[in-house]
Amino acid sequence: AAGVIQSPRHLIKEKRETATLKCYPIPRHDTVYWYQQGPGQDPQFLISFYEKMQSDKGSIPDRFSAQQFSDYHSELNMSSLELGDSALYFCASSFETDYNEQFFGPGTRLTVL
Amino acid sequence: AQSVAQPEDQVNVAEGNPLTVKCTYSVSGNPYLFWYVQYPNRGLQFLLKYITGDNLVKGSYGFEAEFNKSQTSFHLKKPSALVSDSALYFCAVSNYGQNFVFGPGTRLSVLP
Repeated sequence: AAGVIQSPRHLIKEKRETATLKCYPIPRHDTVYWYQQGPGQDPQFLISFYEKMQSDKGSIPDRFSAQQFSDYHSELNMSSLELGDSALYFCASSFETDYNEQFFGPGTRLTVL
Repeated sequence: AQSVAQPEDQVNVAEGNPLTVKCTYSVSGNPYLFWYVQYPNRGLQFLLKYITGDNLVKGSYGFEAEFNKSQTSFHLKKPSALVSDSALYFCAVSNYGQNFVFGPGTRLSVLP
């Protein structure tokens, strides 16, 4: 079965650079969630989109922005990167009426040097 | 605001023995409860969920969880642990699909 796809899988950036992470949900899923998981931490919810509109917002820094496109894929844009942004970024997707059971992608590991 | 607690950072169990990973939650309204597992360098994988119905929920890989409303708990259990069950386990709660919150995780080590 198709799963959530995230690209790139690994990304190395320097401080103050920008990064764009991409997420392709499971076909027919209309909701996308972004999570940040720091080393040894539990996943922290950043932001979610339903039908291309922001549906919920968590602890997403102002330096980050995200959007969902007409094909339901989503991009997380991160600017002025800081060392503390180094983390595993997960995307999850769900079908809105399916009690929001979320299926997670493999994650993008971002390292900021 | 909802919250999830997993009181044990680490659980050690011998292979073949039953295992329990504890989770308690706080949420207004009816909770949607989930368990996810994370293997090293892998994404989170769904194990099971409770939305409504029977308090005992059966999920993937032989895991089950019992919803206890009076104790606001949703403990994960397995009758006979395998070494391959060793991983990080996250409990999560959602309030009608909004504000999906994870617990801090419990590291399960199954010893051969």
